[in-house]
Amino acid sequence: GDSVTQMEGPVTLSEEAFLTINCTYTATGYPSLFWYVQYPGEGLQLLLKATKADDKGSNKGFEATYRKETTSFHLEKGSVQVSDSAVYFCALRSYNFNKFYFGSGTKLNVKP
Amino acid sequence: GAVVSQHPSRVICKSGTSVKIECRSLDFQATTMFWYRQFPKQSLMLMATSNEGSKATYEQGVEKDKFLINHASLTLSTLTVTSAHPEDSSFYICSARDSVGGNSPLHFGNGTRLTVT
Repeated sequence: GDSVTQMEGPVTLSEEAFLTINCTYTATGYPSLFWYVQYPGEGLQLLLKATKADDKGSNKGFEATYRKETTSFHLEKGSVQVSDSAVYFCALRSYNFNKFYFGSGTKLNVKP
Repeated sequence: GAVVSQHPSRVICKSGTSVKIECRSLDFQATTMFWYRQFPKQSLMLMATSNEGSKATYEQGVEKDKFLINHASLTLSTLTVTSAHPEDSSFYICSARDSVGGNSPLHFGNGTRLTVT
């Protein structure tokens, strides 16, 4: 069945460092891909999305490109801030059944 | 933006009792709502897909008689944990998708922390 695998955390970075959180997926058909973020004490929020191959989603300095050939949707940011500290979830929405599947989440800690 | 309200945010109950969690879409209609369970190591597991006016679709390994889901209207879905046990203690999150948008993302509730003593 459909599934998402993302790198385990926690990831600890210094402010202004480069961030990559890996995400790969398994799916039939052509899923849509998402990154959600959960800030401390808050619910999940959509960060960015991509709906077809080679699409690049971007928001708040974060980017991710839908790579069909490598079944990946890695999250990147060129310069992280302390306020980016949160848990990041990679997710896919299956093409046929409209279900969402999430990765296990990666906790990011950014130190000043 | 779209808001999903989940209630209660925290609940403590005794073993053997039942607990109901509500999920409401406040400014949009949701034909489909999803229920997730978040485990201590942060994984988010899809439990079931709740469809308005019909029976919920449960994921493999999720007991439908244990986790009763009702989606009575386009803005409300409820999850009832029946005869709760300590191992049911977890963080439950609902989400909903705007019925109008064919490619719209999920909107999440803030979750319910269930503790069974």
